[in-house]
Amino acid sequence: KAGVTQTPRYLIKTRGQQVTLSCSPISGHRSVSWYQQTPGQGLQFLFEYFSETQRNKGNFPGRFSGRQFSNSRSEMNVSTLELGDSALYLCASSLDGTGVGQPQHFGDGTRLSIL
Amino acid sequence: AQSVSQHNHHVILSEAASLELGCNYSYGGTVNLFWYVQYPGQHLQLLLKYFSGDPLVKGIKGFEAEFIKSKFSFNLRKPSVQWSDTAEYFCAVMNTGNQFYFGTGTSLTVIP
Repeated sequence: KAGVTQTPRYLIKTRGQQVTLSCSPISGHRSVSWYQQTPGQGLQFLFEYFSETQRNKGNFPGRFSGRQFSNSRSEMNVSTLELGDSALYLCASSLDGTGVGQPQHFGDGTRLSIL
Repeated sequence: AQSVSQHNHHVILSEAASLELGCNYSYGGTVNLFWYVQYPGQHLQLLLKYFSGDPLVKGIKGFEAEFIKSKFSFNLRKPSVQWSDTAEYFCAVMNTGNQFYFGTGTSLTVIP
């Protein structure tokens, strides 16, 4: 079956703009999590959505937001972009993330560059 | 705050050498533990996982990891590395609140 699909693969924006990234989970997966990956900080958890509701949230400012649709597809929005937002944004899906050790399946990511 | 520490940032080994990558976490409750691998140009893949039971878990490609609860550790091992093991390795912890915490990764370079 198809894996996690993230679009677009690459994006270039300037400071102050806003951006929306998209993630389509594996069919049947209802939990979608977003991560920011940078060379200095590694992988950092942004938030997790399950059944159209944000279930968990990491320590990122309110400029980072997301949503999930009824088909489990998710979008992440970043407003008022800053240079430090340049990173690889990864989406991961799992069946339901109920804490029984279900692994996450990652997409290829969206490489966001801020000029 | 909860955290995952990978002490080795960059490891260089010759083929056939043994590998051990350290991973320590700070969380007092029940955890699920994972090791992920990211080969050059590819996305993250699950290497192995621990939920409960036998603390020694075996994963793909000859990797194994041992969960030592008293040390809050989940070190990754492989008896004999190959050039194809060159990749970035991430340790991850999932707590009872379903939050994933990743280490900063260890870059492994295997020299033929």
